[in-house]
Amino acid sequence: IAGITQAPTSQILAAGRRMTLRCTQDMRHNAMYWYRQDLGLGLRLIHYSNTAGTTGKGEVPDGYSVSRANTDDFPLTLASAVPSQTSVYFCASSPTSGAYNEQFFGPGTRLTVL
Amino acid sequence: GQNIDQPTEMTATEGAIVQINCTYQTSGFNGLFWYQQHAGEAPTFLSYNVLDGLEEKGRFSSFLSRSKGYSYLLLKELQMKDSASYLCAVPDSNYQLIWGAGTKLIIKP
Repeated sequence: IAGITQAPTSQILAAGRRMTLRCTQDMRHNAMYWYRQDLGLGLRLIHYSNTAGTTGKGEVPDGYSVSRANTDDFPLTLASAVPSQTSVYFCASSPTSGAYNEQFFGPGTRLTVL
Repeated sequence: GQNIDQPTEMTATEGAIVQINCTYQTSGFNGLFWYQQHAGEAPTFLSYNVLDGLEEKGRFSSFLSRSKGYSYLLLKELQMKDSASYLCAVPDSNYQLIWGAGTKLIIKP
């Protein structure tokens, strides 16, 4: 692995189903982030983790949960998917969680909830 | 609260120069980022400004005026591969990035 990976690349999901989006980085970055990107809107932060073992809520956390059991992995779970969660989801990481936190992004997961 | 404004779309000609503006309102200031995002791809880091003035990096330069809450990205000698969206972002008080909606730059031959 080089950098940050996400799985799956894309997914079509029935409303009400549970879904986990996976994110793994091999850069030993302390901070990780989950964003959603919708047409006409900027990237919106869902959840973040400043270091392994800690998580925090972003701008749009409702309906999503995360865990950070180790440095490398930061899965995002939709407990019961709804159509408004149709979006492109990006995972990102940065070496630190300070003001200068250049973020490195995964390739994204395109999720459609029907 | 925090707010970031960028033009939705701009068009420029190959070989020309284009300036993409970003205005922001923040309760504090911890720098300003520019990212590039090609269609269907992930954003990639371009620049970070924390002090006033112009920072040049090859064909791309980024300018910041903290007193005016204003930044711009200057792209010179435009190439077709520069067709992309350009995202402006500023950290909030928790150092989490607040993103503008992005400016889609269309380059014409």
